[in-house]
Amino acid sequence: AQSVTQPDIHITVSEGASLELRCNYSYGATPYLFWYVQSPGQGLQLLLKYFSGDTLVQGIKGFEAEFKRSQSSFNLRKPSVHWSDAAEYFCAVVPNRDDKIIFGKGTRLHILP
Amino acid sequence: GAVVSQHPSWVICKSGTSVKIECRSLDFQATTMFWYRQFPKQSLMLMATSNEGSKATYEQGVEKDKFLINHASLTLSTLTVTSAHPEDSSFYICSAIAGYEQYFGPGTRLTVT
Repeated sequence: AQSVTQPDIHITVSEGASLELRCNYSYGATPYLFWYVQSPGQGLQLLLKYFSGDTLVQGIKGFEAEFKRSQSSFNLRKPSVHWSDAAEYFCAVVPNRDDKIIFGKGTRLHILP
Repeated sequence: GAVVSQHPSWVICKSGTSVKIECRSLDFQATTMFWYRQFPKQSLMLMATSNEGSKATYEQGVEKDKFLINHASLTLSTLTVTSAHPEDSSFYICSAIAGYEQYFGPGTRLTVT
């Protein structure tokens, strides 16, 4: 079955430290890939997306993600986190154009001062 | 970028009453909109796909008579929670599709007392 896996439910990092959030998908072809962030009580904000081309994509707020076809992964990274980055992060895929989006279960990021 | 609005942003209603939530695409037309439900600390759960001019498609386990969806125009979809009960209390998020991307509304917090 098609799925999106975020293996880490919670991640805690110190402010200023680097961050990597993992995302794996199971599809035959390369889907359209997204990372969203959600602060408590808020809607979703798109951080970045990958459709094709350069496998390293830059997003907002200093985030980047790298698509690795061989590993079916689309991990999110940030070199130095800020306290304001504490939130829930969702990886998502759209298998084909106009398909419904499929979300991972999310990773909650905690930041230590 | 494309903007999707929801109204109201939060609502409190008494058990047994009905509540209508609106989802609007503000600067683009959307033939397809999606409705999601999100429980605390969980990912988004797709409830239904709303297609302009036709009946909505509901996901398995979602009661179509309880969650009425009307997609009356290319910029407006409504979700009506009928005979609401406390277990319907949740965060409801809509999205509008444009090609490969979905644009999410800010969500509506429903509390049923």
